[in-house]
Amino acid sequence: GQQLNQSPQSMFIQEGEDVSMNCTSSSIFNTWLWYKQDPGEGPVLLIALYKAGELTSNGRLTAQFGITRKDSFLNISASIPSDVGIYFCAGQDNYGQNFVFGPGTRLSVLP
Amino acid sequence: SAVISQKPSRDICQRGTSLTIQCQVDSQVTMMFWYRQQPGQSLTLIATANQGSEATYESGFVIDKFPISRPNLTFSTLTVSNMSPEDSSIYLCSVEDPASSPPYEQYFGPGTRLTVT
Repeated sequence: GQQLNQSPQSMFIQEGEDVSMNCTSSSIFNTWLWYKQDPGEGPVLLIALYKAGELTSNGRLTAQFGITRKDSFLNISASIPSDVGIYFCAGQDNYGQNFVFGPGTRLSVLP
Repeated sequence: SAVISQKPSRDICQRGTSLTIQCQVDSQVTMMFWYRQQPGQSLTLIATANQGSEATYESGFVIDKFPISRPNLTFSTLTVSNMSPEDSSIYLCSVEDPASSPPYEQYFGPGTRLTVT
């Protein structure tokens, strides 16, 4: 079945630094979603991407839909302590198909 | 986006018993989904629940173990039957945003943290 890979698996950064993480697939997707999950909570949708090459921002977060349609990137600028959590990507190849979730990137922000 | 609530938020259950988890949405939605998230893992889809029809289960999940009800467009239940410690997980309800256009964005409830002893 389809699988998504996320890198890095985990990262420790200093407060104020920028963060970059990515999600890759061996197959093409038509929709990419990025979620953040805090401990004890459900995932919260951050950004949705629908077109190859699309670049979308949500505050300090910016995500891009890769041109090959096999990858997506999420960047966080000027990190703050509340950015701590697990970031999941999810891909959908066609409308009506189920989303596939990546294994997540665990972000820790050091003061 | 839809507001989703789940009950209970957490529970500790004995092996061999069953637990029913409720999911309530503040608006009518066509598609509801149930996911499992094992400790430290990603999300795995258990089944898709549509109102008026039987749930569609993913590979590795069966109706006898995870019966699902979908009595109306705002509510669904997932039962974890004959529990064993391996069923200890977070169970998440999810819906497609009814206010968006296809392809729909998917939103999650807060989850039910189940521990089986």
